[in-house]
Amino acid sequence: DADVTQTPRNRITKTGKRIMLECSQTKGHDRMYWYRQDPGLGLRLIYYSFDVKDINKGEISDGYSVSRQAQAKFSLSLESAIPNQTALYFCATSGARGYDTQYFGPGTRLTVL
Amino acid sequence: GESVGLHLPTLSVQEGDNSIINCAYSNSASDYFIWYKQESGKGPQFIIDIRSNMDKRQGQRVTVLLNKTVKHLSLQIAATQPGDSAVYFCAEKSGNQGGKLIFGQGTELSVKP
Repeated sequence: DADVTQTPRNRITKTGKRIMLECSQTKGHDRMYWYRQDPGLGLRLIYYSFDVKDINKGEISDGYSVSRQAQAKFSLSLESAIPNQTALYFCATSGARGYDTQYFGPGTRLTVL
Repeated sequence: GESVGLHLPTLSVQEGDNSIINCAYSNSASDYFIWYKQESGKGPQFIIDIRSNMDKRQGQRVTVLLNKTVKHLSLQIAATQPGDSAVYFCAEKSGNQGGKLIFGQGTELSVKP
């Protein structure tokens, strides 16, 4: 969905490096999410934010941190990347109602050597 | 604990046939379910959703069925086309989980010409 953009689309880095993945949205949504996808697995929630001042851990937050710089921007950081963080990372956004659909960005493929 | 899973990891159908993709969930409190389609190299794309107060919902060529008694969800695709080839994920949401989505593993649908 072009309304949700992620940068970079691909990244190769080395163990111990700090990495930041960025997400921007033009949908005007309050809620933003970061997911991780590994081969053969579904998406797992890393962090989510219901508004600029609200940050919550998901099921696999260890080793990650996030920053909600504005309503439209939500970045994910790996403070010290490790090989088992090699995965596809997706950002998503949704409205604030309980039944609002989550819209996903195109993903970032991260490889940690 | 709660989980969402798919019965079959792969499904191969002939072009023009109907496809049925199944999903089981275990959280009785889940009240909203979504099917996503993920094509290679792209983020998940919303297909159709259903709330727990419904047992059937139809879209364009797709139908979602919800059986709360056995905690089962299915996606039916009519007249399957090559463009339907993708991985399909079911996801559930429950109010007592802060509106977070929980994804199943995914089923890869392959359409044979």
